[in-house]
Formats: sequence, structure tokens, C-alpha cells
Amino acid sequence: DTGVSQNPRHKITKRGQNVTFRCDPISEHNRLYWYRQTLGQGPEFLTYFQNEAQLEKSRLLSDRFSAERPKGSFSTLEIQRTEQGDSAMYLCASSLGSSTGELFFGEGSRLTVL
Amino acid sequence: AQKITQTQPGMFVQEKEAVTLDCTYDTSDQSYGLFWYKQPSSGEMIFLIYQGSYDEQNATEGRYSLNFQKARKSANLVISASQLGDSAMYFCAMREVVTGGGNKLTFGTGTQLKVEL
Repeated sequence: DTGVSQNPRHKITKRGQNVTFRCDPISEHNRLYWYRQTLGQGPEFLTYFQNEAQLEKSRLLSDRFSAERPKGSFSTLEIQRTEQGDSAMYLCASSLGSSTGELFFGEGSRLTVL
Repeated sequence: AQKITQTQPGMFVQEKEAVTLDCTYDTSDQSYGLFWYKQPSSGEMIFLIYQGSYDEQNATEGRYSLNFQKARKSANLVISASQLGDSAMYFCAMREVVTGGGNKLTFGTGTQLKVEL
């Protein structure tokens, strides 16, 4: 399977703990995105990388959130000192620089903070 | 700021019938793009169709077509000959091109489609 891969698929943690999610994009895609989706809502943009450079961050991305994409390949999203409000599906997507630039999404990482 | 509105929380359609899912948008940009994605229960967002604001023809992709009415700011998705496998959540999204040419998507709240026998 050569699609976008995310892990872990599910994470249950206690409030105050740190969690990290990993995303492996489609290999030839230079753009990578993180979105967050809460129940009953559409995904919301968090951040975007072109190669290893983080070019755009949403104000939703508080200082407890950090994302990296070393070497322009896989990406990690870390949430420090988790809160119950962080419970959501975290979706990763990648894209090429095509005219439409459609995003190809992974199956997401579901976070539950107890 | 861009906004997408999907006013149908849920829709039912009989197998083999056509169904229209509504989407209206608001933007001050002259150049923009609209996407439709399907999200089955597995969680993955699947790209269905794209319409550029300057495209003269309505987009079509197999059983999917986009009824684009620029003056009314609507971009409705039409699914023809519905199949049981079409049961899923459907999201309309608008793109904003950001630094470096990336696509930042603004999504609507979605429409849950149920296809019945």
C-alpha cells in the first residue's frame, strides 16, 4: 500500500501526558498537512510543510503542539500536557504541486484523553 | 475569511437513484477551488472531485458531478446511480493557496448519506 500511513491509529492517554503521532506521506509528495477533526465537524487545518520547512501554522496550534518533518519525509505531531479538549481525530495529508493540488489523507490517529 | 456551509446533516437515497448534496461557499477571492471528499466509517478522507473557479465546464468524475453555480456561490455534488458503498459522510471544502503553494482547505460540517435498498 503506497498511501498515507499514520500511527498509532488509536491512542488513549491520561490528562497531562505527552503523545506523539507519526505520518508517512506518499513518497513523491513534497507537501504535508496536519488537520484535526472533532466529532460532528469537518477537519480543521493545523499546519503545513513543504519539504522540511513548516510554512503555515493555524492559531489552533497552541504552544503545547509541535510538528516536525525532518529531512522532508515523515512527520511527527507531538502534543504536550494533553487536555481533554485535545480528544479528536488527527489527520495527515500529503500532496504534489499539481494544478488542483488535491490532498491525499491517511486514516487518521484517534486521540482520547481521559 | 472563507466559509463553507452544508445545510443537510443527513440524506437518504434509494439504491440506483441520483442524489444531490448541497454546498454553498463564501469568499472574497476571485480565484479559488472547491473540493468534495468522502469519509467512510474507517476515517480516511477520499478525494472525489475538484472545481476551479475559472473552469467553464462543470467537473465530472465517473458517477460524480459538480453543479457549479458561481453567481449563487454554490457547488453541489451530484451522485448518480447510488450504490450501497456510497453510504458515508461527504464534505465540501474550499482551498486557500498559502505560502509555498500549499492548499489550506476549509471544510463544511458534512452531510451523512445513507443509501437504502
